[in-house]
Amino acid sequence: DAKTTQPTSMDCAEGRAANLPCNHSTISGNEYVYWYRQIHSQGPQYIIHGLKNNETNEMASLIITEDRKSSTLILPHATLRDTAVYYCIVIKAGNNRKLIWGLGTSLAVNP
Amino acid sequence: NAGVTQTPKFRILKIGQSMTLQCTQDMNHNYMYWYRQDPGMGLKLIYYSVGAGITDKGEVPNGYNVSRSTTEDFPLRLELAAPSQTSVYFCASSYDDSLGSPLHFGNGTRLTVT
Repeated sequence: DAKTTQPTSMDCAEGRAANLPCNHSTISGNEYVYWYRQIHSQGPQYIIHGLKNNETNEMASLIITEDRKSSTLILPHATLRDTAVYYCIVIKAGNNRKLIWGLGTSLAVNP
Repeated sequence: NAGVTQTPKFRILKIGQSMTLQCTQDMNHNYMYWYRQDPGMGLKLIYYSVGAGITDKGEVPNGYNVSRSTTEDFPLRLELAAPSQTSVYFCASSYDDSLGSPLHFGNGTRLTVT
């Protein structure tokens, strides 16, 4: 499965959009981009996933570039409760047990 | 639904002691997983199960055992605790291995071996 590269940390002002980038330049055609987050001392939480089209749900939006080599997770109106580590993972369908968890991006939402 | 429930939340063991970390889910998920997370590191898969009676090793299985006698429960056993097993342990479940079946996690067991 393709590796991902994320910034170590980011800051965002409360109420503003948080844009978290992820580079996955070696992604193959049948690999999906997943995002999870881990709030301090809790288990990871699924956010969103996509293949090549942009996706939106109640938590966030996922923008995938046309060449699929990078993506951006957007939290449209960040709150203090969005302070967490965000993990970008690339995985083939049917490979939940092969998720590779990197160090993610530590997002601090500031008042 | 309670989701994925792990007990205990915290535990301190002496070297050589044994213990079982409990995990239960009420979502009728077929797949269950055990991960460990060391400080400042990503999660690593210890064992997983695709259904009752079926288990398989993950990336770091040494020193652990699992069983899956029911769909709901997936306990993790440490037989001879070692300091290297000091970690936070997360149990997770998913309906299956498909794309629309993300992992649901418990809130972890913090284990210290001294």
